[in-house]
Order: sequence, then structure tokens, then C-alpha cells
Amino acid sequence: GNSVTQMEGPVTLSEEAFLTINCTYTATGYPSLFWYVQYPGEGLQLLLKATKADDKGSNKGFEATYRKETTSFHLEKGSVQVSDSAVYFCALSALKTSYDKVIFGPGTSLSVIP
Amino acid sequence: ETGVTQTPRHLVMGMTNKKSLKCEQHLGHNAMYWYKQSAKKPLELMFVYNFKEQTENNSVPSRFSPECPNSSHLFLHLHTLQPEDSALYLCASSQDLAGQPYGYTFGSGTRLTVV
Repeated sequence: GNSVTQMEGPVTLSEEAFLTINCTYTATGYPSLFWYVQYPGEGLQLLLKATKADDKGSNKGFEATYRKETTSFHLEKGSVQVSDSAVYFCALSALKTSYDKVIFGPGTSLSVIP
Repeated sequence: ETGVTQTPRHLVMGMTNKKSLKCEQHLGHNAMYWYKQSAKKPLELMFVYNFKEQTENNSVPSRFSPECPNSSHLFLHLHTLQPEDSALYLCASSQDLAGQPYGYTFGSGTRLTVV
């Protein structure tokens, strides 16, 4: 079946450090891929998405490239801020039937310290 | 009001109480979901409604009872809960089940504590 695997956290970085959160997936066909972010005390928010191979999603300085050859969608940011402290969820959507839904990874907690 | 609104934000209830969580969206979405988020555990999908019809119940105990009276409102009725049911309950909606084109929109959640 379809699944999403993320690197385990928590990840702790100093402000202005480079961020990578790894995400790999298993799916048949050509899934759409997403990153969601959950700030403390809030629900999840869509951060970025990519719908086909080699697409790059970007938002708020975050980027992720859909790599079909490695079945990956790693999240990157060049310089993190304290305000980026949150939990990040990788997700996929692979329509095989009309009842297929978005599948979420387990989440990776990020703490950015000043 | 835009987005997905959940009420209440916080709820403390005894094991013999009956309470309800409410979720409302005016985004014109057709699918709505209840998720349970417990500390150090992955998101758990509980129920799915598509065009007001329940399409999924992931082996959720009967002490949780969903209701979807129309495409804009979703309820989760709670009764005789256990302490392990304490968690953040998230509601989400989407245009279709695959989350196209804008993904799932989540509410801020109800933090439930069972005492």
C-alpha cells in the first residue's frame, strides 16, 4: 500500500542553519506530494506541494523537489528562524480509486534556538 | 468566516459525561475528516465523510459517534470516554478526498482531557 516515511526527530538547529527533513514515499502511479506544518497549539497547514516528477514546491523560503527516481520529497530551507519551530508532515495523495485519501507521515519536530 | 472552525478549543470531561465537538467549514468543500493526534504518535484518521456520507470508520470505538448533517458541519459526539482518549482532535476538509487542488484545510483542534 501507499506510505510515507520521514526522518525521526526531534531536530534541533541554531538560527540561520540549513535545514533538511528527509521524506520518502511508496506509492503506485504518480502521486501528488505535500508538506504540511503544524505550529504549537494549531492544526496543520499546507506549506507546499508538487504534483509531478521534477516539480519544485516552494513557500516561505522552504523548498522541496519531487524526485521520482529516488521516491523522495525532502524539505529544505537555507536559513531557519526561531519562528520555524514546528512539526513538519510529509504527505502524499495517490488516486487509485475515488476513495483514496491523503496519507500523512509521522511528522518531524523542529526546534530552532537563537 | 474563512477556514475550518472547531469548537470548543479546550474540553475537560469526566468519564461519565456526554459532550460534542463541532466543526464548521464554509469553503464549499465536499469531504470532511476527524483525526486524533496523541503525543508522540502519528496522526490517526478516525472518520471520513464525502458528500455527507460516511465513507470510512477506522475501527473507532463506539464511544465516538460522528454526525454530518450537511456538507458544512461535522460533529463528534463523545460518551463514556477513557483517559487514553485524551488528545488533540482535528477536523479537516477538502474539495475532494485526494486533496486536490489545495490540499486539506485543518481546524485548530479541540484539546480534550478526560479525567
